[in-house]
Amino acid sequence: NAGVTQTPKFQVLKTGQSMTLQCAQDMNHNSMYWYRQDPGMGLRLIYYSASEGTTDKGEVPNGYNVSRLNKREFSLRLESAAPSQTSVYFCASSERAIYGYTFGSGTRLTVV
Amino acid sequence: QKEVEQNSGPLSVPEGAIASLNCTYSDRGSQSFFWYRQYSGKSPELIMFIYSNGDKEDGRFTAQLNKASQYVSLLIRDSQPSDSATYLCAVNSDEKLTFGTGTRLTIIP
Repeated sequence: NAGVTQTPKFQVLKTGQSMTLQCAQDMNHNSMYWYRQDPGMGLRLIYYSASEGTTDKGEVPNGYNVSRLNKREFSLRLESAAPSQTSVYFCASSERAIYGYTFGSGTRLTVV
Repeated sequence: QKEVEQNSGPLSVPEGAIASLNCTYSDRGSQSFFWYRQYSGKSPELIMFIYSNGDKEDGRFTAQLNKASQYVSLLIRDSQPSDSATYLCAVNSDEKLTFGTGTRLTIIP
């Protein structure tokens, strides 16, 4: 009963490096989301995918790209990491947002 | 900009007392309302949701919704040390959740 699985759990990057955060869900949910959580700022939506084949920007999309690879997988890519992208990143999924989300365990990213 | 406001706390409550957490939201079109609990270093966990005006009870937890006042609250009865966490209020509109910054709750034994 995995739910939402995120990898990696921890990552340290140097400024300018790139990386992809992976997310997979096994609940047959249509919608998937990427949020970042910073102290005092709460959870902020980066990108979301309402269904397979669609993606849309959220509140803080700059510096990120996403891919909805199939119904199960939704990845987040940092093309050129910056210290301002140091954060905890959460992936979530839902059948519909009206029912709430299930969150993954998070990725703690540090950019130095 | 759709906003969800919470008092950041910290809120300290004696063990066995009632903890009261409050949240206001700006989007009158919001359809559903959620309370998530987040322990330090962990991911948010859904504990209550409410769609209609009034109260909804689940064990020691009661969610209250007043759409006219754009106000959601969470009551925790018989507070336990294990209830110490940050509580996030979330509001659904346009098929996305907008979160408040959370209220840190500490239960004092």
